[in-house]
Amino acid sequence: DIQMTQSPSSLSASVGDRVTITCRASRSITISSSYLNWYQQKPGKAPKLLIYAASSLLSGVPSRFSGSGSGTDFTLTISSLQPEDFATYYCQQSFSSWTFGQGTKVEVK
Amino acid sequence: QVQLVQSGAEVKKPGASVKVSCEASGYAFTDYYVHWVRQGPGQSLEWMGWINPGSGGTNYAQSFQGRVTMTRDTSVSTAYMELSRLRSDDTAVYYCARGIALPLTTVTTFDYWGQGTLVTVSS
Repeated sequence: DIQMTQSPSSLSASVGDRVTITCRASRSITISSSYLNWYQQKPGKAPKLLIYAASSLLSGVPSRFSGSGSGTDFTLTISSLQPEDFATYYCQQSFSSWTFGQGTKVEVK
Repeated sequence: QVQLVQSGAEVKKPGASVKVSCEASGYAFTDYYVHWVRQGPGQSLEWMGWINPGSGGTNYAQSFQGRVTMTRDTSVSTAYMELSRLRSDDTAVYYCARGIALPLTTVTTFDYWGQGTLVTVSS
């Protein structure tokens, strides 16, 4: 199984801050594409897809969200944190079955 | 619009079985796989398996092999997930999600999710 490790597990930030979350796979998940997706989850709600194939923004997702990386190391960046962005973020690999990272909770500073 | 609507919360005793439904609307049910994912209290997300509604074919995560059964009824555009021999650590919210490979990529992701079904296992 491919293990996904996110860091940090939680972070405190203010509105307007730039936030970066990293995700590391236990082995490469890139061939022609990177099989890495990012989701946002708010309490009591289902996860919501933000970014697929490491860097492709889903239609309708604000452009302040971006993703990058390849191989085993990936990053989700929120360029200017908004009040509605306080949530937990998960990376997910779909290279071999599907596994999720442990999540990163973005909290109010 | 695409919607996945799940059945309501369940309380079960250890050793029992639970069957959760996921009714799809707004798209061709047989064209997209349905995945099941669970989330224990305060925990991350765990993929359980998928069903191909078109063929009925399934693929289960190894950790659930022998305990999970996924089925579908195309006449009502509904997928089902049954988990047997329940234990207390099966207490979780169970989600169904539509699997899709988005344009210009072979990367599979889950673009629509049900609202979740809380299954509580307690004696």
